[in-house]
Amino acid sequence: QVHLPQWGAGLLKPSETLSLTCAVYGGSFSGHYWTWIRQPPGKGLEWIGEINHSGSTKYNPSLKSRVTISVHASKNQFSLKLTSVTAADTAVYYCARWDSGSISWGQGTLVTVSS
Amino acid sequence: QTVVTQEPSLSVSPGGTVTLTCGLTSASVSTSYYPSWYQQTPGQAPRTLIYSTNTRSSGVPDRFSGSILGNKAALTITGAQADDESDYYCVLYMDSGIWVFGGGTKLTVL
Repeated sequence: QVHLPQWGAGLLKPSETLSLTCAVYGGSFSGHYWTWIRQPPGKGLEWIGEINHSGSTKYNPSLKSRVTISVHASKNQFSLKLTSVTAADTAVYYCARWDSGSISWGQGTLVTVSS
Repeated sequence: QTVVTQEPSLSVSPGGTVTLTCGLTSASVSTSYYPSWYQQTPGQAPRTLIYSTNTRSSGVPDRFSGSILGNKAALTITGAQADDESDYYCVLYMDSGIWVFGGGTKLTVL
C-alpha cells in the first residue's frame, strides 16, 4: 500500500509562491501518474495537474500559467509550485497517486494565503 | 468550459437505495470518460469508491456500484447505512487529457 507524506509552508502572503513536496513510499514510482488536487474550505475538489515518472505533465487550464509540477525520481518525490498566490488559492492541497481514477490520497496540507 | 454536473444534495432512508449521477453539460458520459467516485467525510481526505466506471476499490463494500445510466455515470448505494452520510464526488477524463471533478453531492441518510 502506497504512503504519501507531504509537506510545505502552510501560511503564505499574497504574491508569494506555494511550494509542496510529496514522498512516495511503497510500490513503484514508475507506471503511475503523480497528481495534485486541492479543496478550498467548504468547497469541492479541483484537479491541479499530474506528472509521470519521466516528467511528462498535464495541467488544469485554469491554473496552467502559474503551476509547475516536477518529479525527483531518484528520491521518489514529486513537487508542486504555484506562483503569485491569492486568497483564492487557500485550500487543502492533496498529493495523490492516480491510476485511471483510482486515487491513493496523501493526508492533505492546508495552505492559507493571507496578508 | 467543461462542467461536470452532480446533484447538490440527496437523501435516502436507512436500508434504502439511492443513485447519484455524474453528467456533462455538453455531451453524454460514456466509459471513455473513466468516471470515478470518491467519498469524503468532514475533515478527512477523500476515499476512492469506484474507478473506471464500475471497478470497486479494495475494501469497498459491494453495496456501492458504478454504472452508466442513460447519458450519465451513476453511483448506486444499495442498503444505505448511517455512515454512508458523506459528500460524494465524481471525476471525468476529458479528451484534452485533463480530469474534471463534479461539484459534489451531499448525501443525507435519514
